[in-house]
Amino acid sequence: GENVEQHPSTLSVQEGDSAVIKCTYSDSASNYFPWYKQELGKGPQLIIDIRSNVGEKKDQRIAVTLNKTAKHFSLHITETQPEDSAVYFCAASRGYSTLTFGKGTMLLVSP
Amino acid sequence: ETGVTQTPRHLVMGMTNKKSLKCEQHLGHNAMYWYKQSAKKPLELMFVYSLEERVENNSVPSRFSPECPNSSHLFLHLHTLQPEDSALYLCASSGQGNMGNTIYFGEGSWLTVV
Repeated sequence: GENVEQHPSTLSVQEGDSAVIKCTYSDSASNYFPWYKQELGKGPQLIIDIRSNVGEKKDQRIAVTLNKTAKHFSLHITETQPEDSAVYFCAASRGYSTLTFGKGTMLLVSP
Repeated sequence: ETGVTQTPRHLVMGMTNKKSLKCEQHLGHNAMYWYKQSAKKPLELMFVYSLEERVENNSVPSRFSPECPNSSHLFLHLHTLQPEDSALYLCASSGQGNMGNTIYFGEGSWLTVV
């Protein structure tokens, strides 16, 4: 089955800096890669996703890149703000299979 | 508002109690999921229902019993739980088709077993 590794497990940045979270996956047939943000006391919320026919996708301060050859994908947050502080999860799936999640990255943005 | 509503948000129960968690989705999806999230482990998939049929059961103990009466509602019946079952239980839903498998989570039910 699919295996998703996520790094780092914790990330501390200063407000205004960029943050990068990286994930690798094992199943070369995986074709869907979403990212979720989970704030304290809430459920995970989808923030951006990318499919295997695209190498990069951007939505304001958030971008995701995908390298199919190396089987890794990354989340980039620019101009970080304190409200970006949360746990971020990457995930991967292929076809109609259920998502396999990474273990999460706790991002702390200090003012 | 995520379109997936879970009740109750918080539940404290004794090990001999029977309780149920409820989930309702307003997104027109036809697949629903239960996940367990605890401090020491990543998101654990428990059950998957597609078109009201259970299609996945990840070796979950029988003290957890899911029920999906229709495509909009999902229950998790709890009985004789253990303290280590204390966790955040997340319900999620997704549609099918060429758009892939985007799932949407509810806010979760915090369960404490005493």
